[in-house]
Amino acid sequence: GDSVTQMEGPVTLSEEAFLTINCTYTATGYPSLFWYVQYPGEGLQLLLKATKADDKGSNKGFEATYRKETTSFHLEKGSVQVSDSAVYFCALSDYMEYGNKLVFGAGTILRVKS
Amino acid sequence: DVKVTQSSRYLVKRTGEKVFLECVQDMDHENMFWYRQDPGLGLRLIYFSYDVKMKEKGDIPEGYSVSREKKERFSLILESASTNQTSMYLCASVGAFLTNSPLHFGNGTRLTVT
Repeated sequence: GDSVTQMEGPVTLSEEAFLTINCTYTATGYPSLFWYVQYPGEGLQLLLKATKADDKGSNKGFEATYRKETTSFHLEKGSVQVSDSAVYFCALSDYMEYGNKLVFGAGTILRVKS
Repeated sequence: DVKVTQSSRYLVKRTGEKVFLECVQDMDHENMFWYRQDPGLGLRLIYFSYDVKMKEKGDIPEGYSVSREKKERFSLILESASTNQTSMYLCASVGAFLTNSPLHFGNGTRLTVT
């Protein structure tokens, strides 16, 4: 079945450091891929998405490229800020015969120190 | 902006109690979801509803039921709460559930069962 694997955290970085959070997936069809972010005390919100191979999603300085050949969707940011401290979830949405299925990774905690 | 409102941020209930978690969305969305979020496990789908009075089981429906009498409201019911249902519960909604449609989440209800 479909699944998403993302790197374990917590990831602790200093302000202005480069961020990579790895995400790989398995899917039976041609999924769309998402990164959601959850700030402390809040629900999840969409950070970026990509709907087909080689698409790059970007938002708020974050970006991720849909790599079909490596089944990956790694999240990157060139210079993190303290305000980026949050939990990041990689997810895929795939079409199944009964409808769409959304699968989430386990989440990666990011802590940014000033 | 879509608003998904969960009626309680924190709940403390006793083992064996019947518990109701309420969720309301204001965007006339057809599809609504209940997820459970646990550290290291990500989000797991409990139930979803694609229309009024319609529901489908998710990955972990045991011990839960749902009710959708009106389009904007989706309730999660714990028939007899148990300590292993202590968790964060997230409600989400989306209009047309296409593979590239992101979900809109509420801020969550943290339930503690003692």
